[in-house]
Amino acid sequence: SQTIHQWPATLVQPVGSPLSLECTVEGTSNPNLYWYRQAAGRGLQLLFYSVGIGQISSEVPQNLSASRPQDRQFILSSKKLLLSDSGFYLCAWTPSMNTEAFFGQGTRLTVV
Amino acid sequence: DAKTTQPPSMDCAEGRAANLPCNHSTISGNEYVYWYRQIHSQGPQYIIHGLKNNETNEMASLIITEDRKSSTLILPHATLRDTAVYYCIVQHFSNSGYALNFGKGTSLLVTP
Repeated sequence: SQTIHQWPATLVQPVGSPLSLECTVEGTSNPNLYWYRQAAGRGLQLLFYSVGIGQISSEVPQNLSASRPQDRQFILSSKKLLLSDSGFYLCAWTPSMNTEAFFGQGTRLTVV
Repeated sequence: DAKTTQPPSMDCAEGRAANLPCNHSTISGNEYVYWYRQIHSQGPQYIIHGLKNNETNEMASLIITEDRKSSTLILPHATLRDTAVYYCIVQHFSNSGYALNFGKGTSLLVTP
């Protein structure tokens, strides 16, 4: 069966520090991968999605970047965090020919 | 992808049916209607989807109007555990990938 792993679950980082969140999917190949952010009391904002290795589409210009170095690995990064980067970050995947999305458990990031 | 409009919040008494509306007036012929829900501090969970016909599964029923410009998610006997944010999204799938935009959803509160 397919599973999605996202870590860490919680993270507290100072302003100006770098960020690296990792997401991996097991049990499938060539998934579509997504990063979302949810600010407190807000909806899900799509940040990046990827249909293959090295292929990244950005939905919102911001302080973040994404990379997909391997088929089932999706990384969200920042060189210098801002206070406004705080939020709940979710990774998701869909099979390449199906649109039901499966989400990880999320990372709660607090920038202080 | 077509945009959706949902009421920001709804209440429902426990044991009664919860009917959550969604407008998607710009939906195109190859776009599906998907519903997810998010319980606090968790990743969204898939509920149901449909294209033209009404659909039912163990969780809910989905009623899509004949012109496909709106739909209703029905939870037949709401329980306290159904309290969550419900997202309606429309999307089509293709080999080139797509963006899954969730919006703000409807916050459903089921009361005793």
